[in-house]
Amino acid sequence: TQLLEQSPQFLSIQEGENLTVYCNSSSVFSSLQWYRQEPGEGPVLLVTVVTGGEVKKLKRLTFQFGDARKDSSLHITAAQPGDTGLYLCAGAGGGYQKVTFGIGTKLQVIP
Amino acid sequence: DTGVSQNPRHKITKRGQNVTFRCDPISEHNRLYWYRQTLGQGPEFLTYFQNEAQLEKSRLLSDRFSAERPKGSFSTLEIQRTEQGDSAMYLCASSGASDLGYIQYFGAGTRLSVL
Repeated sequence: TQLLEQSPQFLSIQEGENLTVYCNSSSVFSSLQWYRQEPGEGPVLLVTVVTGGEVKKLKRLTFQFGDARKDSSLHITAAQPGDTGLYLCAGAGGGYQKVTFGIGTKLQVIP
Repeated sequence: DTGVSQNPRHKITKRGQNVTFRCDPISEHNRLYWYRQTLGQGPEFLTYFQNEAQLEKSRLLSDRFSAERPKGSFSTLEIQRTEQGDSAMYLCASSGASDLGYIQYFGAGTRLSVL
């Protein structure tokens, strides 16, 4: 069973601060996705990383895939209240590209 | 395309009743997935279709749960004799071939409350 551990599970910060969320596994994934989910809604895809060591930037968000494709991080610079939400990492691999989700990191950005 | 569509968005039912949810995937996607998400948890895989064939089912999918995708387009998830423990958000996702592999796109979900 592929398991993904996310840390921290909860994060409350002031607007303007930086933060990093981690996603770790003992398994190798063919790709890894980061999603953001708001209450009562489905997860919305932010990024997909497929190559070990890959770094992708999406405005103030920087995503990195570990060299061994077992872990990933999400760094947010100068967080804004609109960044508030549940951030989920999801690793794809195995048959049919089945996706395994982490438990999520619940981020609250206080104005 | 408007993305993955799920109906209804919310369903309240009494214990013991049957419920059915519908998912319309992104039109060109041949793969469709159902997940269940409870409060404070990430989505948990339930089942997967490639076209009309149901190719994988999780152990979470008890015999009270059945999913179909009769024409390889929309899918339904039925729960018979609902129990309070079935209360959760039911998410549908679809995927199709891309340069980055089969990336899953999610619908807004159906929130089920069993009273």
